[in-house]
This record gives sequence, structure tokens and C-alpha cells, in this order.
Amino acid sequence: YDLIQPPSVSVSPGQTASITCSGDELGEKYVSWFQQKPGQPPVLIIYQDRKRPSGIPERFSGSNSGSAATLTISGTQAMDEGDYYCQAWDATTAIFGGGTRLSVL
Amino acid sequence: QVQLQESGPGLVKPSQTLSLTCTVSTDSLSSGLYFWNWIRQPAGKGLEWIGRIYSTGSTNYNPSLKSRVTISIDASDQFSLNLRSVTAADTAVYYCARGQVSWMNVWGPGTAVTVAS
Repeated sequence: YDLIQPPSVSVSPGQTASITCSGDELGEKYVSWFQQKPGQPPVLIIYQDRKRPSGIPERFSGSNSGSAATLTISGTQAMDEGDYYCQAWDATTAIFGGGTRLSVL
Repeated sequence: QVQLQESGPGLVKPSQTLSLTCTVSTDSLSSGLYFWNWIRQPAGKGLEWIGRIYSTGSTNYNPSLKSRVTISIDASDQFSLNLRSVTAADTAVYYCARGQVSWMNVWGPGTAVTVAS
């Protein structure tokens, strides 16, 4: 089972960034999203498709339907630059997407 | 807030066994609420899930690594990873992480392991 993400996404400060994650019948699974900055471990920012852990800003939101999940960052800030990974379970195996590098230009 | 910390050798010789330990700041390994994961990331590449263990000792492994991996609970606050017959392709930063239901919400800082002679 594969999760496909675009390698890179660029966005201007203050604009909305969308990162997609595609997989066969992905809408039937729960998706998590992680943010990773250089030299740091991943941080969970979305779980169960659309829930935000405590401390994650409201500008991060998620959706999942059909064969794609989407991470949306509203009012993107420079601090949001980094790598983003989606993750889902294929039965008892955790699958990560290949990651998307978000550039805030 | 629970914290996780990976530890182990930073250098392993090819064909040998890579052994890492994850220490959990609370003795929550016995809690049935969580499962405990190992994930790795080669330099400049993406995340690869290695496997997980529940408090019962039940495990699940990535099919691509299953023949070489063992994850076990060693103490009330430690679980470990053993990866046998390593090659240079196993060089990576290794993370342990706590999971619950379907998400992994607490990660260790990671430990870098190089496979070289």
C-alpha cells in the first residue's frame, strides 16, 4: 500500500497551503499528519483525519475523502516551513507518505 | 508529559545486529492504552515504520523488515529494537514513538546509527 505526496509545495506568507496524500480508498482509513523540521523528530499535527492535538495552531486542518487526504495550512507563516508526512494504517502496518517539503516564499 | 529517549551504539558493523533501547519517562509500558513503535529515517529521506509492540507483548512488523526485526519489552519503562544482519542500507536515524488508537503522538529525539566497517 502506497501513500503518494507531492515532493514540494510553495506558498506565499499569509496564503493557504494545501498538501495532498493519495492512496487507494484512503478515505476509508484514518490519516495522521506530521510536521518535521531539520534535525528534529516529527511532530503530530493532525490525527483521525481532522483532529488537532493540544498546542497545534488552528491554522492547521485536515480532511479525508475518497482516495485523498488533504492538509491545509491557512495564513501560512514562515515557521511552517518544513517537511510534512501523511500516515495511515494498512491493516497492522503503518505506512508513511514520501513527504512534502513546504517552502514559504 | 511522557518523554521517550533512544539509546544504543552509533556504529554497527555490517552483518551484525543493531540493538537500540527506548526509555520511557513513566512506567506506562504496562498500560493497555498505548502501543510502542520504532521508526527510522535515512539521511535526506522519508520515514519508514519498523514495527510496534503492545503491553501484552503482541507485535506487528513492517513486512519488508519482518524477517530481521524483533521488538520486545525489557522493563516497565524500556522497550528495545533488534535488527539483524544489517547493511549500509540500515544506516538511519532511529526513532521510538508512543502510539494510541491510530496515531503516534510522542516521539523521542532520535538516535543516529551508521552501519560501516
